[in-house]
Amino acid sequence: SQQGEEDPQALSIQEGENATMNCSYKTSINNLQWYRQNSGRGLVHLILIRSNEREKHSGRLRVTLDTSKKSSSLLITASRAADTASYFCATVDITQGGSEKLVFGKGTKLTVNP
Amino acid sequence: EAGVAQSPRYKIIEKRQSVAFWCNPISGHATLYWYQQILGQGPKLLIQFQNNGVVDDSQLPKDRFSAERLKGVDSTLKIQPAKLEDSAVYLCASSHRRSRPFSPLHFGNGTRLTVT
Repeated sequence: SQQGEEDPQALSIQEGENATMNCSYKTSINNLQWYRQNSGRGLVHLILIRSNEREKHSGRLRVTLDTSKKSSSLLITASRAADTASYFCATVDITQGGSEKLVFGKGTKLTVNP
Repeated sequence: EAGVAQSPRYKIIEKRQSVAFWCNPISGHATLYWYQQILGQGPKLLIQFQNNGVVDDSQLPKDRFSAERLKGVDSTLKIQPAKLEDSAVYLCASSHRRSRPFSPLHFGNGTRLTVT
């Protein structure tokens, strides 16, 4: 099954800097989603980008999608200590039974130092 | 709206014992998911319900794991007997409907299981 793979696995930056995380996937998609997970908590949906979109913004988040390269990137601008978390991309996979399921990558662990 | 509720938050058991987790999804959400997240990895789908029917359980180890969704609302996930490799966080999630494109998921805070 297809699975998004995030890069890098870990990223450490200073507060105020920008953070960029990348996601690559294997097969065609109709949308790609990004989630954040704070330590000890569940995942929180950040943004969804559809296959016919190239870029999407939400506050300090910017997501790009390049379907020809099967890749997406998440940019967090002017990072804050509170952005410290793991970030996952997720794509839809079709099961043998024809149903859809959301498949997550292994994530990028972002640390923002004050 | 109230979020996805899960209990307990933590559970420590010995191998070969049994354990059960409970989940209450967001009101009105038809689709419910159980994910297993091993430390340092992304969540892996165990089972997906649409109302009270199973949509996908292809990655559920059915010899030891079972799940049900009572009356299409609450759900329980059981492990019997537990193995050391079952140590993980078990996350429950729900979404409004099974639609195209895939609706964003709302997650609970999970149950951290430690098997000794």
